[in-house]
Order: sequence, then structure tokens, then C-alpha cells
Amino acid sequence: QSALTQPASVSGSPGQSITISCTGTSSDVGGYNYVSWYQQHPGKAPKLMIYEVSNRPSGVSNRFSGSKSGNTASLTISGLQAEDEADYYCSSYTSSSINWVFGGGTKLTVL
Amino acid sequence: QVQLQESGPGLVKPSGTLSLTCAVSGGSISSSNWWSWIRQPPGKGLEWIGEIYHSGSTNYNPSLKSRVTISVDKSKNQFSLKLSSVTAADTAVYYCAREYGSRGMDVWGKGTTVTVSS
Repeated sequence: QSALTQPASVSGSPGQSITISCTGTSSDVGGYNYVSWYQQHPGKAPKLMIYEVSNRPSGVSNRFSGSKSGNTASLTISGLQAEDEADYYCSSYTSSSINWVFGGGTKLTVL
Repeated sequence: QVQLQESGPGLVKPSGTLSLTCAVSGGSISSSNWWSWIRQPPGKGLEWIGEIYHSGSTNYNPSLKSRVTISVDKSKNQFSLKLSSVTAADTAVYYCAREYGSRGMDVWGKGTTVTVSS
């Protein structure tokens, strides 16, 4: 069982927007603005897409955005494209002894 | 830019020790970053194993702490993972990554598959 809870799957049609949620506790997501999101295509390493809740690294499309409310963080992808089909993982710093925790991952299908 | 490359045996016998190295290129392991190991069992999610600073300071996932050792070799610009008493449950793709402070892991290696089997 992962420390952060994500839906197992989401789907959307090209051009639409989707949102993936990531629920934790006040010891991780709710307690720090250190939430990050990773995109992972099959057989590839994860890629950082969002850091510190809502910031995009250089080179990441502005179609990707992040937010947080209480103990739940969200990743929104607008203008869905076929290349967005991948697994997405959230992660947070945590005050527990583990330091970093991940969500179980969400499979995004572009219909 | 910084690149990471994992290396090590792809097959380890049960009860043995898994040993992997992560070579850092394009930058110094003595920069102001922590360096992490993360693993991903087949068809499953990511699990943080632990991290090290160039000073040798470490933090480990409590669920693995009794079996994990992460070390750094500044002369070779690399860091290493040892996981002892392995079982089939340790079969996974193992990634090394650079932590960019509170930003999380901004640079990842391509990953290396380790299978625990006799």
C-alpha cells in the first residue's frame, strides 16, 4: 500500500483536460509545498513534470499544471495529446522517517 | 548537463547481496545535492530506498533500513547501493536519481533491472 493515494486510471480524449488527484496526510502533502509529479512512459525512467506543487521545470509544456488543497494535490493536463499517455506518479517530502513518499501511480489513457 | 548511469549484476541469488553503482557525469557528486536510489517492482509503483550526501550522510526507508547501505566515492564521482539478504520481492528496476532540494528528483538514470532468482 502506497503512502499517497492516486486513482488507478484516468482517461480523456485528445484536446480535453484531465485531473489526477494525490491524497496524503498533514505529515506529507498537507504539511509541505514539496509535492512533485513524474511522468513515466513504458520502459522509461520517470521524468519530473511539476515540482513544489505548481512549478514546471524548463522544457515541460505549460499544458501541465499542479495545485494543492489541504492534504490533496492535483495534476491537470489540458489539451490532451496522444504523447501524454503514460503513468503519472505524485511524490511528497514527509516528516516521517522515510523522507520521500510516492503515490501508487495513475495510468492515463488518451482515447 | 548531469547524467546518471546505473551498473551492476542483473541476477542475484536469494539470500545474497545486491550491489549497484551510479556513475555521475556532467557534474560533481560533491555539489549541493542529495543522491537517491529508487526501485520499481515489475508492474508496480515507485519506492524510495534511501539517499546520500557527498559528506557521507545517509537516510534510509525504514522498511529497508536493516538491509540497505548507500555509500559515496567522490574520487570516482559515483555512489553505490548494497541490499543484503535479498528475496524475490527485491526483484525490480533500480533507479538512481539526483535530488534538487525540495524540487524532488530532477535527474534520473535509465534504470537497471535486477532479478533475484536461483
